[in-house]
This record gives sequence, structure tokens and C-alpha cells, in this order.
Amino acid sequence: GAGVSQTPSNKVTEKGKYVELRCDPISGHTALYWYRQSLGQGPEFLIYFQGTGAADDSGLPNDRFFAVRPEGSVSTLKIQRTERGDSAVYLCASSLSPGANTEAFFGQGTRLTVV
Amino acid sequence: DQQVKQNSPSLSVQEGRISILNCDYTNSMFDYFLWYKKYPAEGPTFLISISSIKDKNEDGRFTVFLNKSAKHLSLHIVPSQPGDSAVYFCAASGPSGSARQLTFGSGTQLTVLP
Repeated sequence: GAGVSQTPSNKVTEKGKYVELRCDPISGHTALYWYRQSLGQGPEFLIYFQGTGAADDSGLPNDRFFAVRPEGSVSTLKIQRTERGDSAVYLCASSLSPGANTEAFFGQGTRLTVV
Repeated sequence: DQQVKQNSPSLSVQEGRISILNCDYTNSMFDYFLWYKKYPAEGPTFLISISSIKDKNEDGRFTVFLNKSAKHLSLHIVPSQPGDSAVYFCAASGPSGSARQLTFGSGTQLTVLP
């Protein structure tokens, strides 16, 4: 498909384990965003990439969270030493550019459950 | 501190009637506002947006109104259809209007009854 693809769609992990969440943006989109949506809340910004570089990571909650986008396309969100509070839906979005009023297209999300 | 608030977690409307979803914001630096619709197990999809230089934007059955002095916006859907049943998120960005770092409200579950 031509949309933003996220894998896996569901991930259950034990507390303390390491997880990786993958995002395939829309082809040609230079800007990529990660958001986290907790139950009953709206999505919260985590990090934004322009090309290969993290242009704004101010939303990452702590140093257990890290994201990469080595070739300016696919991105991986990495969470170390997972905690039960990390349980949420992790959403990825991409846009043609980060410019003014540019629409961001979201993937279906990865539901992470830490038990 | 929630900068974008949707105070109604749910709304039920009869098919064919008007749905009005409300959103308030506190950050006066926001200058671009969007509405997203979300179905279960799907990501949010963009619905309609409005720049702070306007007070109304219309797209088919959907109209967004912005009252800057009250820091309030609303989404009107008329006529409402059962397929409109979804969670609606209000989002804001600024001051550059960039797509990055959208601030979302907590959402309103709209149910359109046939």
C-alpha cells in the first residue's frame, strides 16, 4: 500500500526487556514523526526527523527511548528496559516536508503492552 | 497542563442531524488547527484544518469554526452519517504552522445513531 506502515501491529513484552518498533513512511516523505497515545488520551509528540537527522527529540520521555532513521526512510523506535508505564499505542506519521501547514499521514500504530 | 482540551469525551447524534464537536486551547502561539478522525485499530486521518487568519473553513459536510479571542474551535458535521462514528481529535501547531509537534486533545467519541 501507499500509506505509512508500522510493524508489528501488536507487541507484548516483559518488563525490563528491549523492544524495537518499525515505521515505513510514505515514499518520498522527508519528514517523519513518532507519537505515543496512552489510553484515553490524544497522541503525544515524541520525536521528529527531517531526513536522517533527529531535528527535534524534545518529546522523548527519558534516555530509555531512542529512535533512528539511518537512510532517511525507515525509522526504528527503540525502548530499553521497558516499564509497565510504557504501554501505549506508538504512532508514526510522515509528511512531504516539515513546512507550514503540511498534512501528516499516520500509520495504524503499534500497540505495546509491557507485562 | 493540557494545552488543547476536548471536554466532551463522547457525543451521540441522530443520523441526519448536526454534530458539533468542541475544542479549547490555552497557548496563544498556536496558529494552525486541525481535526483528525480515528477509527478503531487505525491511525488518525486528517479531516480538515484552519489557519488562525481565518474564522471558518468548509469542506463538504465538514466546517471548522475558529474563535481566536475565546481560544475555541468547533467542528460541525451536517448532515451526520453513521459512517462518521469515530473518535475525533483536535490538534494545534505553531507558531510556524509546521506539521511537526502537533499538540492533540484527548478526543471525542462521536456516535451517529441510525
